[in-house]
Amino acid sequence: AQSVAQPEDQVNVAEGNPLTVKCTYSVSGNPYLFWYVQYPNRGLQFLLKYITGDNLVKGSYGFEAEFNKSQTSFHLKKPSALVSDSALYFCAVRDSGAGSYQLTFGKGTKLSVIP
Amino acid sequence: EPEVTQTPSHQVTQMGQEVILRCVPISNHLYFYWYRQILGQKVEFLVSFYNNEISEKSEIFDDQFSVERPDGSNFTLKIRSTKLEDSAMYFCASLTPGSLGMNTEAFFGQGTRLTVV
Repeated sequence: AQSVAQPEDQVNVAEGNPLTVKCTYSVSGNPYLFWYVQYPNRGLQFLLKYITGDNLVKGSYGFEAEFNKSQTSFHLKKPSALVSDSALYFCAVRDSGAGSYQLTFGKGTKLSVIP
Repeated sequence: EPEVTQTPSHQVTQMGQEVILRCVPISNHLYFYWYRQILGQKVEFLVSFYNNEISEKSEIFDDQFSVERPDGSNFTLKIRSTKLEDSAMYFCASLTPGSLGMNTEAFFGQGTRLTVV
């Protein structure tokens, strides 16, 4: 079975400071990892993904994430936070070897960027 | 940019009534999904659909639920007899496989907020 853990319900960061939103995963095979963002009353928007290759992946709006196989982590990062980054962030995983087509999501982390 | 569209954006229904949630996936996508998000909780997988049949479903997707792709463009989720606990945001998603198989991202619609009273 595949699972995702986002250990922080909420992350607060001052505007201009770096931000990190944590994610760890568990799969039996190789992971396909994704970050999505949800703004209030909106759907899920894709930010970035890790499939294979470089452990550091870059995505939309200046976000990046680092895949760490030994720690089974895929933390989302941004060097300088904006107030407009305030939203709910979801990490998701799909097991590449399980023959499963579903994404398993974490419970989400609410990011608040304080002006 | 192509997008997944869902209608209605908000549906209020009485307990025991049938509801149909509608989705128009991205036109060249092959896999279709329904997920739901109960207020304040995680996004949960309901069902995946490929080649006109269900490919996978979760424990949540019981006999009350059904999916259909009636006309090659729409993808619907029917709940036969709604319960209070069906109140949630329902998201439709679609994707098409990449060169490494299921390594592409799913595109999500804006969601339908279902309120059962």
